Amino acid sequence: DTEVTQTPKHLVMGMTNKKSLKCEQHMGHRAMYWYKQKAKKPPELMFVYSYEKLSINESVPSRFSPECPNSSLLNLHLHALQPEDSALYLCASSQDPGGDYGYTFGSGTRLTVV
Amino acid sequence: KNEVEQSPQNLTAQEGEFITINCSYSVGISALHWLQQHPGGGIVSLFMLSSGKKKHGRLIATINIQEKHSSLHITASHPRDSAVYICAVAGNQFYFGTGTSLTVIP
Repeated sequence: DTEVTQTPKHLVMGMTNKKSLKCEQHMGHRAMYWYKQKAKKPPELMFVYSYEKLSINESVPSRFSPECPNSSLLNLHLHALQPEDSALYLCASSQDPGGDYGYTFGSGTRLTVV
Repeated sequence: KNEVEQSPQNLTAQEGEFITINCSYSVGISALHWLQQHPGGGIVSLFMLSSGKKKHGRLIATINIQEKHSSLHITASHPRDSAVYICAVAGNQFYFGTGTSLTVIP
């Protein structure tokens, strides 16, 4: 299995909703990442988990809450989002935190906040 | 200043043309990645380079570590190559270029 699987592929949520994005990999990668990508812009790093511990939080608002239940799973819990949070949310993983052995990206979750 | 600069930003080519996308970076890196993203889609890793040259089908990627420069070439371009191509470097963190939007016209 050489993929990063993200679910759901599309999500529409209201500003008062609570939802979660899920990311899964079974490649034994020890680093996992959440990125946010707005249209026609490069991805922006949100969070990095290294060996299941949060190692980087790029000043992301608390309405985004990451969770790494085990080495294969990464969740992003969403609560009280704003319309400007609508974006493509990408998960990625790498064998080591430095990414020396390459990154694998998921296909993303397209989030729309209404 | 962006740590990774790409050129051109936008590129339109006729089918069959040879295409070159350039990437320059200003940080120390352990590896450089070329990524492809189709509209509305996820990102696919095309190449990871730390030196020299790699080839995969019609795609060729080169890197010059001394000059901190990499190029992605597409030979015999095809409309299905239309996508955004992103250069990214792995330094003390992962830095993305702003991408090159390629359109190949039949």
